[in-house]
Amino acid sequence: DTGVSQDPRHKITKRGQNVTFRCDPISEHNRLYWYRQTLGQGPEFLTYFQNEAQLEKSRLLSDRFSAERPKGSFSTLEIQRTEQGDSAMYLCASSLPRGLESYEQFFGPGTRLTVL
Amino acid sequence: DQQVKQNSPSLSVQEGRISILNCDYTNSMFDYFLWYKKYPAEGPTFLISISSIKDKNEDGRFTVFLNKSAKHLSLHIVPSQPGDSAVYFCAASGGYGGSQGNLIFGKGTKLSVKP
Repeated sequence: DTGVSQDPRHKITKRGQNVTFRCDPISEHNRLYWYRQTLGQGPEFLTYFQNEAQLEKSRLLSDRFSAERPKGSFSTLEIQRTEQGDSAMYLCASSLPRGLESYEQFFGPGTRLTVL
Repeated sequence: DQQVKQNSPSLSVQEGRISILNCDYTNSMFDYFLWYKKYPAEGPTFLISISSIKDKNEDGRFTVFLNKSAKHLSLHIVPSQPGDSAVYFCAASGGYGGSQGNLIFGKGTKLSVKP
C-alpha cells in the first residue's frame, strides 16, 4: 500500500492526558500536512512541513499541540493535557511541493480522537 | 469568515441523472481548486482539480467548471451512480495570507444518489 497511513485509527483518552499520533506520507512526497475535522465542518489546516522544516502553523495550533518530522519522513502530532474540545478527526496529507504540476494533497484515513 | 462556501448542505438526485455541486469563494488570489469525496470514517479522497487559468476540466464522469469573475465553481457528475453517495468538499489553494501550503475547505455537501 503506497498511500498515506495514520496510526492509531481511533484513540479514546481522558481529559488531561497526552496523546500522540503518527503519520507516514507517500514516500516521494516531501510535503506533509496536518488537518483537524469536526462534525459538520470541512478539514481545517493545522500545520505543514516541507521535508523536516515546519513552514507554517495555524492559529488553531495552541501551545498544547506540537508536531515534528525529524527525518523528513514520518510525522508525529502530540496533544498535551487534552481537553474535550480536542475531540475530532485528525487528518494527515502529503503532496509534492508547489511549483510542480501536481498540487493535489492525498489524505490518510485519519485518527479519530475522543476525549472523555 | 469563510473563504470557501458550499451553501447546500445536502443534495439528492436520481441514479442516471446529473448531480451539480456548487462552491463559492471570496479570495481572488486562490489559484488552484480541488474537489474531494469523503465516505464516513475515511479520509477525503481527491477527485478532480482545476487551475485558475482554466475554466473547465473533465475526467470521465466528473467535470469541474470555474467562473473566476463570479468566484464560483461547480462539479458536475454525469451520470450519477449510487456509489457516488458521499460528502463532497470543495477546497482552494494559494494566496491565502501569503500561504503556499494549506488547503481551505468548504463545509461540504452530502450527495445522495437514489436507485
